[in-house]
Amino acid sequence: EPEVTQTPSHQVTQMGQEVILRCVPISNHLYFYWYRQILGQKVEFLVSFYNNEISEKSEIFDDQFSVERPDGSNFTLKIRSTKLEDSAMYFCASSEWQALSQPQHFGDGTRLSIL
Amino acid sequence: TQLLEQSPQFLSIQEGENLTVYCNSSSVFSSLQWYRQEPGEGPVLLVTVVTGGEVKKLKRLTFQFGDARKDSSLHITAAQPGDTGLYLCAGAGYSTLTFGKGTMLLVSP
Repeated sequence: EPEVTQTPSHQVTQMGQEVILRCVPISNHLYFYWYRQILGQKVEFLVSFYNNEISEKSEIFDDQFSVERPDGSNFTLKIRSTKLEDSAMYFCASSEWQALSQPQHFGDGTRLSIL
Repeated sequence: TQLLEQSPQFLSIQEGENLTVYCNSSSVFSSLQWYRQEPGEGPVLLVTVVTGGEVKKLKRLTFQFGDARKDSSLHITAAQPGDTGLYLCAGAGYSTLTFGKGTMLLVSP
């Protein structure tokens, strides 16, 4: 069964450094998402992306964050200058159509640790 | 801001017991999805409920969407150790999911 893959599985970075988290969504899916889950807390929506544009973003997704689909397969989340509070699991998801009617398929996440 | 409250937060039961977990909100959702998440993995979709009053069955799991589309329940019959995991409900917007904090279920042999 097709799946969403994320790399790396664990990223350790110094505070203030830039990080890029990578995702390969399911090939025929059109909507892409990033979520984060701080340890012990709920999964939180960050951003959705469709047709090479951001569809929606949450308050968490400030100017430090950006997303890109640099080619036909990868979907990336960049954090420009990391802070300690950015430490979390970051999940990528994709769906054939919008969340209202279609299930989202999640990757296994990247654990981001900021030192 | 739409909030989803899940209860109980933690449930520890013996194999063979039945259980129900709840997902409640003051907001109406167009659809609601249930996921299961295991340690070190991403959430895996179990079911999507769309119509108020809808009941869906997945083997020993029964999902119900409230008539007003504000709440949902998950009932597991004859729980097995393999059912252990974090059960998350998520309300669907146009292109977002709003998650609850989840119910951590532990089923002991």
